[in-house]
Amino acid sequence: ETVMTQSPATLSVSPGERATLSCRASQSVTSNLAWYQQKAGQAPRLLIYGASTRPTGIPARFSGSGSGTEFTLTISSLQSEDFAVYYCQQFNNWPPAFGQGTKVEIK
Amino acid sequence: QLQLQESGPGLVKPSETLSLTCTVSGGSISSNNYYWGWIRQSPGKGLEWIGTIYYSGGTYYNPSLKTRVTISADASKSQFSLKLSSVTAADTAVYYCARTEQMASGPFDFWGQGILVTVSP
Repeated sequence: ETVMTQSPATLSVSPGERATLSCRASQSVTSNLAWYQQKAGQAPRLLIYGASTRPTGIPARFSGSGSGTEFTLTISSLQSEDFAVYYCQQFNNWPPAFGQGTKVEIK
Repeated sequence: QLQLQESGPGLVKPSETLSLTCTVSGGSISSNNYYWGWIRQSPGKGLEWIGTIYYSGGTYYNPSLKTRVTISADASKSQFSLKLSSVTAADTAVYYCARTEQMASGPFDFWGQGILVTVSP
């Protein structure tokens, strides 16, 4: 089983600043890594798949990088609507697994 | 626009079977290359993938739940369903249905709003 570890657990950032979130896999997941955003009371929303590809409609300020076991989600300039919890998910190895999340809060 | 909607009882007694249905609108569950899955979220365990089904019947289950889970689909009703047997308090969670393309394991690009299921006497 592949364990996904996200850091930090909480990230305090001021609006307009850059946020960098990390996700580490216990074994290689190649580029089969997704990022989701979840706001309180809502379902997760797909932000990034294939480690770095944005679905249609996702703003360009969200970017993903990495491969193998180390991945990063960067939000270039935080907007008010970006304060939320972010999860990574690997879908390369069986069973698929999510990280425990990083909460991005207003500093 | 594709929409998914979970339905079912919000309260289930311990040892009984949890049964949920996901109704898909704005698209067909029998479309090629799409898989339909269930994911749950509890405070203690975060997001946990339960299983996925392809409309023609292929199913994929989380090994940790495999002995208790059954996922089925009814293309004529554009629905797929989850049954989880012998539930305990640990199965209390928000249950989501979701869609994935190409791979049964993700990524999940459309999600239902979720339904809270509480296991309690």
